[in-house]
Amino acid sequence: DQQVKQNSPSLSVQEGRISILNCDYTNSMFDYFLWYKKYPAEGPTFLISISSIKDKNEDGRFTVFLNKSAKHLSLHIVPSQPGDSAVYFCAASESTGNQFYFGTGTSLTVIP
Amino acid sequence: GAVVSQHPSRVICKSGTSVKIECRSLDFQATTMFWYRQFPKKSLMLMATSNEGSKATYEQGVEKDKFLINHASLTLSTLTVTSAHPEDSSFYICSAPEPSDYNEQFFGPGTRLTVL
Repeated sequence: DQQVKQNSPSLSVQEGRISILNCDYTNSMFDYFLWYKKYPAEGPTFLISISSIKDKNEDGRFTVFLNKSAKHLSLHIVPSQPGDSAVYFCAASESTGNQFYFGTGTSLTVIP
Repeated sequence: GAVVSQHPSRVICKSGTSVKIECRSLDFQATTMFWYRQFPKKSLMLMATSNEGSKATYEQGVEKDKFLINHASLTLSTLTVTSAHPEDSSFYICSAPEPSDYNEQFFGPGTRLTVL
């Protein structure tokens, strides 16, 4: 049973525009969320996180929004750059443990 | 930041042989490490939690006799794929939690296993 879902397997965006990647989860006990970025043949690298006490966290061009009532989070990238082209995974965990549950990933292509 | 390494980065082996993959935390100690497997176009699947000094905890559906995990020290965990078969071909990734912020994970670069 997939507890974390990314329903869009791919997304294409023009350079300079906003990229919005979405993630939904089913477990209401999740209270810590992360986004990872993965290039081909490499391990995922941590991008940004948010805890359930917040509804927004911003780091440079990356902003993560959390809607707890909807069990939904999103990653906004503004402005999008060609180097942002990668697969993005969202992950969630309960604060009591370190196990993370990953979404299936969204492949972002930023078109120059 | 903390670094996790994996060795080898790529390995090709014959069906029926065993392959060992190492995961090392280079500048911090990790009492817990995690092993993931990535399927094509699918998410990273948590296989098992490696615990230093005790047995690994396997996720449902993961054969513990096939995927042997040994957490030999505070900086090293190994995953041995025994009697490998072509369906075991995959990308294997380990991770270790950030010591000062246990909610953050540092991932290794991954190991691409190809079983002929």
